[in-house]
Amino acid sequence: QVQLVQSGAEVKKPGASVKVSCKASGYTFTGHYMHWVRQAPGQGLDWMGWINPNTGGTKFAQKFQGRVTMTRDTSISTVYMDLSRLTSDDTAVYYCARAMTVGSPDAFDMWGQGTKVTVSS
Amino acid sequence: QAVLTQPASLSASPGASASLTCTLRSGINVGTYRIHWYQQKPGSPPQYLLTYKSDSDKQQGSGVPSRFSGSKDASANAGILLISGLQSEDEADYYCMIWHSSVLVFGGGTKLTVL
Repeated sequence: QVQLVQSGAEVKKPGASVKVSCKASGYTFTGHYMHWVRQAPGQGLDWMGWINPNTGGTKFAQKFQGRVTMTRDTSISTVYMDLSRLTSDDTAVYYCARAMTVGSPDAFDMWGQGTKVTVSS
Repeated sequence: QAVLTQPASLSASPGASASLTCTLRSGINVGTYRIHWYQQKPGSPPQYLLTYKSDSDKQQGSGVPSRFSGSKDASANAGILLISGLQSEDEADYYCMIWHSSVLVFGGGTKLTVL
């Protein structure tokens, strides 16, 4: 079955960077775009961007441009989201989510379990 | 003005129906968009429910009961998630989402209480 398993919780200091991983299984990794979405405590969903695991191409939401990097390692079917210059406003649960349509950054049908990132001095 | 607006909360009784609205900003025509709906229960990631553009362009998530359905109200410029035969397990947050100007946009979410 399709599974997305994310790395564990992180605690970071302001100004630091965090790298979250998302390991996919149960489907052809390079066939489906992967998105990242975050959710601050008690808040709604906030789309960050996507990566095409086949080509490595990316697109980011404007608010994260310059601070976010998304990469992939096809040998282990894993995508990574790296967010730099962290502030307390980046405290959130970060989710990877698989696009449902092969070869298209469509809406998502599967989500990882989430990774809690806490930014605190 | 936000691209997508959802009421913050909605209450309905078990067995009744609930219509959750997702209103598009003025100037954005709901008829041209596929609207995606997600359900999120506390402490869990969101789950995909369905996608609706028209009666001929719609998709139900795998395992999602048919009592969850989508529609549109063109006069209100809104997408609608209809949940019929409400059950206590339907109590959750519901989010709508669209592609707009090549980026994904979420509504603020509606907290559905079943009581």
